[in-house]
Amino acid sequence: KQEVTQIPAALSVPEGENLVLNCSFTDSAIYNLQWFRQDPGKGLTSLLLIQSSQREQTSGRLNASLDKSSGRSTLYIAASQPGDSATYLCAHTGGGNKLTFGTGTQLKVEL
Amino acid sequence: GAGVSQSPSNKVTEKGKDVELRCDPISGHTALYWYRQSLGQGLEFLIYFQGNSAPDKSGLPSDRFSAERTGGSVSTLTIQRTQQEDSAVYLCASSLLQGGTEAFFGQGTRLTVV
Repeated sequence: KQEVTQIPAALSVPEGENLVLNCSFTDSAIYNLQWFRQDPGKGLTSLLLIQSSQREQTSGRLNASLDKSSGRSTLYIAASQPGDSATYLCAHTGGGNKLTFGTGTQLKVEL
Repeated sequence: GAGVSQSPSNKVTEKGKDVELRCDPISGHTALYWYRQSLGQGLEFLIYFQGNSAPDKSGLPSDRFSAERTGGSVSTLTIQRTQQEDSAVYLCASSLLQGGTEAFFGQGTRLTVV
């Protein structure tokens, strides 16, 4: 069974801090890895997509890396803001083509 | 439309009734996914459509659940004889191709069975 684990499950940081969210997966034959954010009561917003042939992607204050050999991805958020408060989910597609989601990290950025 | 559209946004139904949830994917996207998210839980895969291929129904929790995708575009998820444990947010996503392309989600349908 493919498993995707995210650590930590919850994180609270002061505004302005740089932070790293971790995603571990057991399926080494993934096609890609995607990071999403989910605000309370809302759907998922795509943040970054890393193809299996890539090692990282950047968008603004966000940087995501992928290491297939170790089964890990990280999402780096620079200079965090209160508006970054949300649940962050990683997901990958593998041989079955469906997205397999992680357990999520609930982030709170405090003033 | 610009994004994935789901309707209704909220649905309250009585136990035992049938419900239909609709998903309009992004135009041109061949892959369509349905997921379910119960309160405080992660995303549970339900069903996946890819072009004209047979759908992957491996996530449907019981035979009360079914889904169709007509003309390779709009999809309908039907739940028959709803139960209270069916209460959840049902999320739809689409992507341009299978596998390695970015998936985009709709805002979901919040289903409450009373």
